[in-house]
Amino acid sequence: QITLKESGPTLVKPTQTLTLTCTFSGFSLGTTGVGVGWIRQPPGKALEWLALIYWDDDKRYSPSLKNRLTTAKDTSKNQVVLTMTNLDPVDTGTYYCAHYEQNGDAARSNWYFDLWGRGTLVTVSS
Amino acid sequence: QSVLTQPPSASGTPGQSVAISCSGSRSNIGTFYVYWYQQVPGTAPRLLIYRNYVRPSGVPVRFSGSKSGTSASLAISGLRSEDEAHYYCATWDDSLSGWVFGGGTKLTVL
Repeated sequence: QITLKESGPTLVKPTQTLTLTCTFSGFSLGTTGVGVGWIRQPPGKALEWLALIYWDDDKRYSPSLKNRLTTAKDTSKNQVVLTMTNLDPVDTGTYYCAHYEQNGDAARSNWYFDLWGRGTLVTVSS
Repeated sequence: QSVLTQPPSASGTPGQSVAISCSGSRSNIGTFYVYWYQQVPGTAPRLLIYRNYVRPSGVPVRFSGSKSGTSASLAISGLRSEDEAHYYCATWDDSLSGWVFGGGTKLTVL
């Protein structure tokens, strides 16, 4: 059974750096064909994809946030970390991590987010 | 402004059928699979449809997906009160080399 859980600060000041951790079970990022993604959702607004990291350490970032985002994996701990720099109040929202499913397709553009964590609410305010 | 366009709202009465559209372009829906997520307020998104029309285990057959050209649609038949939620379409976008989501459709069961 796959589960994911996000953790990190609930309140961050503007200009500070946010570090979120996704702790998961039921799969390993040391296994071929596995990925984890990050998606956020401002209050009352739509979902926005942020980043992806694959078992082979390949990474993808949202073009609009690329300069502010970094993601890394710790295979031994079953964790993925997302770092976002220079926070602004518009970055307030719920941040989700999700299992990225290959489902038999080698083309990474055909993978998809099948199971999500419950999310963690981050508020950016002074 | 989302890359994928969805109607902001939809509604129906119990037992009725409703369809939610999702419009994109050649670089996203026109080339790649479409996915649909259901989000009940206060909870995480749940995968409803993957690869255009496939239902994950546990998703009722009342939910169906389709795709034609640069548009996709989620159909829900036999509406039930528990279907009241936000629905999001999503896909890969080649121009952005990443995922894009629709703006979401709030479904109200009257």
